[in-house]
Amino acid sequence: GAVVSQHPSRVICKSGTSVKIECRSLDFQATTMFWYRQFPKQSLMLMATSNEGSKATYEQGVEKDKFLINHASLTLSTLTVTSAHPEDSSFYICSARDGQGIYEQYFGPGTRLTVT
Amino acid sequence: KNQVEQSPQSLIILEGKNCTLQCNYTVSPFSNLRWYKQDTGRGPVSLTIMTFSENTKSNGRYTATLDADTKQSSLHITASQLSDSASYICVVRESSNDYKLSFGAGTTVTVRA
Repeated sequence: GAVVSQHPSRVICKSGTSVKIECRSLDFQATTMFWYRQFPKQSLMLMATSNEGSKATYEQGVEKDKFLINHASLTLSTLTVTSAHPEDSSFYICSARDGQGIYEQYFGPGTRLTVT
Repeated sequence: KNQVEQSPQSLIILEGKNCTLQCNYTVSPFSNLRWYKQDTGRGPVSLTIMTFSENTKSNGRYTATLDADTKQSSLHITASQLSDSASYICVVRESSNDYKLSFGAGTTVTVRA
């Protein structure tokens, strides 16, 4: 089956620093990738949608300069949280959509970000 | 606005018992509906996927139903196990609008020995 990986699974960083999270589709080409944020006991909230080779589309209320998304290839997207603050601490989940067939979307295992 | 409503918000059951989770949606046009299991600190894992023409789909002890006319779905867990403790999320996909997904808030299931 389609597999999406994320790295790292957990990261702790200090306030003011930047952290990069990678999302990879391991056995399919993902023309579109999605980044979600999830707070405790809440469902996933879409942050942005990125298509390979083009700029990401951000949901309302998501700061594009703070959450930099790069989708440089059909198998890799990165989310960089810039100048992190404690309120950015959250669970970040990426998802990749298969560019063929029925365009199903597959989720990664998530990255727990803690900003101290 | 397309919405997905799940109930109950949470439930506690004894090991070995059955339970049923509900999902009502207003998403249109409808493409498919998935139930996901999400363990704490992990990403969602798909349990079942149902299209418009499917009424029921099973995956081991998980059985999902779909009534596309009333826009309701349920997930039934049979003979619950401790490992079933998780959040169960109902996700509905549109057939247009770039296949957008709409997420329910999830039902947290706690199975106790």
